[in-house]
This record gives sequence, structure tokens and C-alpha cells, in this order.
Amino acid sequence: KQEVTQIPAALSVPEGENLVLNCSFTDSAIYNLQWFRQDPGKGLTSLLLIQSSQREQTSGRLNASLDKSSGRSTLYIAASQPGDSATYLCAADGSGNTGKLIFGQGTTLQVKP
Amino acid sequence: GAVVSQHPSRVICKSGTSVKIECRSLDFQATTMFWYRQFPKKSLMLMATSNEGSKATYEQGVEKDKFLINHASLTLSTLTVTSAHPEDSSFYICSAKKWDRGYEQYFGPGTRLTVT
Repeated sequence: KQEVTQIPAALSVPEGENLVLNCSFTDSAIYNLQWFRQDPGKGLTSLLLIQSSQREQTSGRLNASLDKSSGRSTLYIAASQPGDSATYLCAADGSGNTGKLIFGQGTTLQVKP
Repeated sequence: GAVVSQHPSRVICKSGTSVKIECRSLDFQATTMFWYRQFPKKSLMLMATSNEGSKATYEQGVEKDKFLINHASLTLSTLTVTSAHPEDSSFYICSAKKWDRGYEQYFGPGTRLTVT
């Protein structure tokens, strides 16, 4: 059974700092891995999706990597801003693209001005 | 874009009543939609997969008679919480897959259900 873990649970950094969020999964036979952002009381915003054949994806200041062999994905945020403060969730689709995502518990990021 | 809406955003109901939550894909067709539940400070838990024109597939431990799902069209899925109890209070989020964009899922803004 796939399990997804995110460390740390919470992170506080000063504005401008580069940071890395970690996501690990137990079953390497994933179809894809997706990173989301969730603001308090809101739904999820898709940030990046990495298919199993890919190693990384980039969008603006965000870069996500995927290492299936080690069961890990990282989300790199460059030059963090207060507006980046939110909870970041990773989710693995290990079910042959049926879309049944298994979520980690998230990392709550606070970027201080 | 790929926009998914939910209605209502917040609902308060009395114990024993039923509540219907709608999930709509506004600018694309979604043959498959998903319903998730999120407890405070917890992650999302998949409840069921909603397939247009067929019965929903429920995850283990989810009561299908309590959480009724109907996917009547390519843009609308509904979740009805029947005979609601306070323990059903939660944040319910739906998502939809947009097949022509590959495998990404797009999530609705969520519905906060409070059962008193």
C-alpha cells in the first residue's frame, strides 16, 4: 500500500531564502507525482506534475524533481516571498493513471518579510 | 484554464438531515471526478471515484449508503451526505481530470460542512 510522507511538517524562513520541501513514497511504481499548494480554508492549486518517465519539472521559481529509485521527490522554491506562505502537498498516483492520488500530510511554509 | 467549482462553499446543517454538494468542471469535460475529505490539519483522503454514467467506486471504509455520489453529466458530480452526524463535519474537496492536458487533476475550492 502506497504511503506518502512529507518532511518537515512546518518550516519558517526569512524572505529571499531558497528552500527545499521533501516528499517520500514507499512504492516506486508510481505513474506520476504532483505538487499542490493549499491556502488556509481553500482548495488545492496544482503547481507541478512529474510523470514517471521524467526527472524534473520547472515553473518560474519552482522546480520539482523525482527519483523513483529512492522513492523521493523534492520541491525547490527559489527566492522565497511572503506570498509563498501556504501548505504544500505532494501526491502520488500509483494506480495506472486512474487518478487516485495518495497525499502526504503537507509542509506548512511561512516566509517572513 | 481548467476551472472546477463547488457549491456551496460552506453549509451548516442539523444532525439527521441530508446535504448535497455539487462539483462542476466549468471549461472542460471530465469523465472522471474524485471526492476527497480533509480533516483539520490533516491531509486529503480519497473517498470515491465518480465516473460519468456509471456507479461510483468507493474506497475501503467509506460508506456508500451514507455518501451518495451521482455523476450525471460530463461536467457535474454531486455528493450527498445522508443523515448527517457531527462526525461528518469536514472539508470536502472534489477534483476532475482533464484528459487532453495529460494527467493533471484540477481541484475545486472545497466545501466546509458543519453538522450541529
